[in-house]
Amino acid sequence: DTGVSQNPRHKITKRGQNVTFRCDPISEHNRLYWYRQTLGQGPEFLTYFQNEAQLEKSRLLSDRFSAERPKGSFSTLEIQRTEQGDSAMYLCASSLAGGALWGYTFGSGTRLTVV
Amino acid sequence: QKEVEQNSGPLSVPEGAIASLNCTYSDRGSQSFFWYRQYSGKSPELIMFIYSNGDKEDGRFTAQLNKASQYVSLLIRDSQPSDSATYLCAEIQGGGADGLTFGKGTHLIIQP
Repeated sequence: DTGVSQNPRHKITKRGQNVTFRCDPISEHNRLYWYRQTLGQGPEFLTYFQNEAQLEKSRLLSDRFSAERPKGSFSTLEIQRTEQGDSAMYLCASSLAGGALWGYTFGSGTRLTVV
Repeated sequence: QKEVEQNSGPLSVPEGAIASLNCTYSDRGSQSFFWYRQYSGKSPELIMFIYSNGDKEDGRFTAQLNKASQYVSLLIRDSQPSDSATYLCAEIQGGGADGLTFGKGTHLIIQP
């Protein structure tokens, strides 16, 4: 098992374009989380899945953001009509069914730069 | 909205000394707390969690929780240069939610 894998590692896009990121969790983990982190801040929760079900979505999450986990394995995070304020590191994490109490394993992240 | 507050630092500690990192939280009902370590340019990794009052020790690390005063601390004994990183305090959002609320993190520098 190679841990949580995220692709791409870096993405530069023009304002107004759509972007999609992928996360492959640890195979036996059925919970998957997306966080966003900007410089000098801690990670900010976006959403999480248990298997294919999206159980929670942050109220701070714009309608331009959507996440899927269609078969309960990998997940995608799409941002439509990107804005400069979307520039951040997008972190994916996975855990066993016990969730946060079991501790997350984070991926290396996808760094998004909107120009 | 739960909040976790940390002094962003930097906190500079000489090698071999005890590094003390602190975190306060807003919700008196919060029960479970986590310390994550994040090296520059890397993703966070869990080093400790604590959910009951008192101390929890794991190797050179000791987490302390004081629910009456609403603070959590992390002590690192015999600090090493490899301990230089940002330390993030986090709590479970609660209300059935499984997300974590993180503080901004404290940047720790261990001086050789």
